[in-house]
Amino acid sequence: GENVEQHPSTLSVQEGDSAVIKCTYSDSASNYFPWYKQELGKRPQLIIDIRSNVGEKKDQRIAVTLNKTAKHFSLHITETQPEDSAVYFCAAPRGAGTALIFGKGTTLSVSS
Amino acid sequence: DSGVTQTPKHLITATGQRVTLRCSPRSGDLSVYWYQQSLDQGLQFLIQYYNGEERAKGNILERFSAQQFPDLHSELNLSSLELGDSALYFCASSVLSGGNTGELFFGEGSRLTVL
Repeated sequence: GENVEQHPSTLSVQEGDSAVIKCTYSDSASNYFPWYKQELGKRPQLIIDIRSNVGEKKDQRIAVTLNKTAKHFSLHITETQPEDSAVYFCAAPRGAGTALIFGKGTTLSVSS
Repeated sequence: DSGVTQTPKHLITATGQRVTLRCSPRSGDLSVYWYQQSLDQGLQFLIQYYNGEERAKGNILERFSAQQFPDLHSELNLSSLELGDSALYFCASSVLSGGNTGELFFGEGSRLTVL
């Protein structure tokens, strides 16, 4: 089945710096790669996703890149702000289905 | 508000007991997923139902079971509870269309504490 590895587990940056979180997946048939943000005490919410027919997608300060050959994808946050502090999860679908397998999460702390 | 409703929000019970968690998906969503979130285990996929039928099974213990009813709400039953079952249980729903994976909409979760 799908296995998703996420690094780093914690990340501390200064406000205005960039943050990068990386994930690898095992199932070469996976074709959808979302990133979820979970603020303290809240539910996970989708912030950006990418499908396998593109290599990069941007939405304001966040971007996701995908390398299908290497089976890894990354989340890039530029000009970080304190409100970016949260746990970020990457995910990939399990097999041909729609159930998502999540990485273990990265706790991002942005200090001002 | 995601449109996914979970009850109860909090539940405290004793070891050996049985509890039922309930989830109502977003209007129109046919798929329901259950996830367990423990402190150091991230979001563990338990089980998925689509239009009343089990679609995929993850790391769900034999002591746990789930079902999806004709009105599309789902229940997760946890029995013979152990201390290690204490966790936040999330339900999520999605529109399943042509096998394309898409956004999961999560509920607020049910926090289970086993004493």
